[in-house]
Amino acid sequence: GAGVSQSPSNKVTEKGKDVELRCDPISGHTALYWYRQSLGQGLEFLIYFQGNSAPDKSGLPSDRFSAERTGGSVSTLTIQRTQQEDSAVYLCASSLGRRVSGANVLTFGAGSRLTVL
Amino acid sequence: AQKITQTQPGMFVQEKEAVTLDCTYDTSDPSYGLFWYKQPSSGEMIFLIYQGSYDQQNATEGRYSLNFQKARKSANLVISASQLGDSAMYFCAMVLQGGSEKLVFGKGTKLTVNP
Repeated sequence: GAGVSQSPSNKVTEKGKDVELRCDPISGHTALYWYRQSLGQGLEFLIYFQGNSAPDKSGLPSDRFSAERTGGSVSTLTIQRTQQEDSAVYLCASSLGRRVSGANVLTFGAGSRLTVL
Repeated sequence: AQKITQTQPGMFVQEKEAVTLDCTYDTSDPSYGLFWYKQPSSGEMIFLIYQGSYDQQNATEGRYSLNFQKARKSANLVISASQLGDSAMYFCAMVLQGGSEKLVFGKGTKLTVNP
């Protein structure tokens, strides 16, 4: 597609429920990233995919968080047994190739705002 | 590992004046890239400017320039002739080239441009 598409744009859930957030990267972009942005804070790295594999998942905060990418395209971030501290905006980004640089920047989606009651 | 520090939580500038947003970084890796992104209140992240660690000249993109001082490990963003539309959060970020391709962000600076 023309840009990075994320859904849902807003999600309100109850504590303890599972949620899935979806990211559809720019067509042809092999690298995909998930970040979390809590209110008024910077971006916290969660996980990075190159194709379908995740060379770096060091930012996933607990085993309640998981992500997968299929067909080298769409990615799903799953949060199990949500907690109130999971409330944040989850941002997805994609880039064209392996080496991030000025010629290969991360393009971000509009984010999925998650609220856990 | 890499670390980005932005020490100015908020900055104010008058329209048409220049403003400098500070960014310092910490890494022992010799090959890295530095980025600035803008995040307006609408929430989208907009790429502004990039500087590679081996680039000899400071990067410029229109009204944006990056004051890269390698020995001081600083990469300050300079916005010239500020406009009301420049009011936003600004994030400095860094990638280690040759390592994990993750972009690590600072906490950001909120810029307010006053008329």
